[in-house]
Amino acid sequence: SYELTQPPSVSVSPGQTARITCSGDALPKQYAYWYQQKPGQAPVLVIYKDSERPSGIPERFSGSSSGTTVTLTISGVQAEDEADYYCQSADSSGTYLNWVFGGGTKLTVL
Amino acid sequence: QVQLVQSGSELKKPGASVKVSCKASGYTFTSYAMNWVRQAPGQGLEWMGWINTNTGNPTYAQGFTGRFVFSLDTSVSTAYLQISSLKAEDTAVYYCARENPTDFDYWGQGTLVTVSS
Repeated sequence: SYELTQPPSVSVSPGQTARITCSGDALPKQYAYWYQQKPGQAPVLVIYKDSERPSGIPERFSGSSSGTTVTLTISGVQAEDEADYYCQSADSSGTYLNWVFGGGTKLTVL
Repeated sequence: QVQLVQSGSELKKPGASVKVSCKASGYTFTSYAMNWVRQAPGQGLEWMGWINTNTGNPTYAQGFTGRFVFSLDTSVSTAYLQISSLKAEDTAVYYCARENPTDFDYWGQGTLVTVSS
């Protein structure tokens, strides 16, 4: 089955830039989406269609795509950005389109 | 404002069934598909499938066929997830999430289902 691969953890100091990657064979053909999840809370969409930012999401969140890898970049990381981040994309190889989540990346703000 | 409000936590014995509800408000319920996502304790998000809120037709992800049933009551703008023959490994938080039309823009608060004897 289709998989999206994320690093388990990323650590940065406040004010630095955090980059979280997500790799998958179908990413050149399918958009990626990013969700932030804080402990005990539901996920929140922070990036859609590779690089679009929903209203209300701070400008320090951005997304990019290159080949089979998409990247969530958080510029000027703040303590409140410490959370788990999940990428999501579609697997269209079967009869029906299926959604797939990456394993998640824990962002630690040192 | 758009809201998805889920039913409360459940404690069930192995072999029992559970039905989780997801009540939508603030938008036309039948205009957006509803997805279900599972998150086991300390684990990541796992997509379970979706239901077409117009036709009621469900699609189940691999691993979620047989014991899992998605249903609707459009008269009260509510989606349901029923799990039968519960096992310990079904212990998880279950989320409903609106699909708009490719991303999940609104999520319920989650329902913890605990399966324990």
